[in-house]
Amino acid sequence: DGGITQSPKYLFRKEGQNVTLSCEQNLNHDAMYWYRQDPGQGLRLIYYSQIVNDFQKGDIAEGYSVSREKKESFPLTVTSAQKNPTAFYLCASSLVPDMNTEAFFGQGTRLTVV
Amino acid sequence: AQKITQTQPGMFVQEKEAVTLDCTYDTSDPSYGLFWYKQPSSGEMIFLIYQGSYDQQNATEGRYSLNFQKARKSANLVISASQLGDSAMYFCAMRGGDYKLSFGAGTTVTVRA
Repeated sequence: DGGITQSPKYLFRKEGQNVTLSCEQNLNHDAMYWYRQDPGQGLRLIYYSQIVNDFQKGDIAEGYSVSREKKESFPLTVTSAQKNPTAFYLCASSLVPDMNTEAFFGQGTRLTVV
Repeated sequence: AQKITQTQPGMFVQEKEAVTLDCTYDTSDPSYGLFWYKQPSSGEMIFLIYQGSYDQQNATEGRYSLNFQKARKSANLVISASQLGDSAMYFCAMRGGDYKLSFGAGTTVTVRA
């Protein structure tokens, strides 16, 4: 089955530690996205990538880093510089250059700092 | 820069009635796409409907229709014949020429029996 897989579903992190969230897709999509969602709030864009080995900062990139070494993978690292990392993180992908195709989402990772 | 605004934090609707969710946007891109997604309490994101900036007709998908007014930069979602399963958070989104996909703050819809 084609889709996007995020792992783990739940993640606990100690303060001061870096943690990496996984996002893998087998849809052959070029574009991939990372969003942060706080309780009852909207999705805020962290990073996005249109093509392998290239990515752009979104609206809240500070304290996060990404890599895009493979088309199917777009891991997100939450660094110790992110002051309030507890949130729900969603990964998405979409076709390029078809503007009219929707983005497909993973099931999300809930990160909690303990 | 692109911006999506949803001004209704929450709405109540009676079962079987229609509800309109507001969305306005701002962009300098001549070509863009507008999307609506549904997020139930489980957290999954469900695609509902799409409208292209050059589309002449309003998009429709089953009980969902998009009221697109380009000059006003608005893309309101209409849900007809509401069902209890429609209770969820709804997000308006826009993708511009650089493929940046931005979302609004969302509107929570509660359907009453």
